[in-house]
Amino acid sequence: KQEVTQIPAALSVPEGENLVLNCSFTDSAIYNLQWFRQDPGKGLTSLLLIQSSQREQTSGRLNASLDKSSGRSTLYIAASQPGDSATYLCAVVPMETSGSRLTFGEGTQLTVNP
Amino acid sequence: NAGVMQNPRHLVRRRGQEARLRCSPMKGHSHVYWYRQLPEEGLKFMVYLQKENIIDESGMPKERFSAEFPKEGPSILRIQQVVRGDSAAYFCASSRLPRQLNTEAFFGQGTRLTVV
Repeated sequence: KQEVTQIPAALSVPEGENLVLNCSFTDSAIYNLQWFRQDPGKGLTSLLLIQSSQREQTSGRLNASLDKSSGRSTLYIAASQPGDSATYLCAVVPMETSGSRLTFGEGTQLTVNP
Repeated sequence: NAGVMQNPRHLVRRRGQEARLRCSPMKGHSHVYWYRQLPEEGLKFMVYLQKENIIDESGMPKERFSAEFPKEGPSILRIQQVVRGDSAAYFCASSRLPRQLNTEAFFGQGTRLTVV
């Protein structure tokens, strides 16, 4: 059964710092991996999707990498801003499940201090 | 192009009442997924539906919970005889295709159910 773990559970950094969020998954048989952002009391916003055949994806100040063989992904945020404060969720689509059903990690709660 | 629409955004029910949560997928999307987020926990898959079909309900509690996605209209998640432990945020996601490498799931804003 696929399990997704995110470390750290919480992170507080000063504005302007570059940071890395970590995600690991127990079964490398995945279809793709998505990073989401969740603001308090709000829904999920998709940030990046990495297909299983890809190594990384970039969008603006965000860069996500995928090492399927080791079961790891990282989300790199450059020059962090207070507006980046949110919970970041990593999720995979396991090969063993149907459709695009996602298995989520518990999330990393990020606070960027001005 | 409206995103995934869920209503109501907030729902308060007394113990024993029924809760009906609605989800309208994005235009052109015929695959719907429901997830539950309990307080201080991650999102857990509940059920995957296509129009008029339940594809995977392995995450649904065996009793009191049901879901449908009729030919016309939104997908409905129904919780009968709610209990305090049902208090959670319920999210709906939709996708255009069942599964491809670049199939992205789009989420609604969620329905926050509070059972009093």
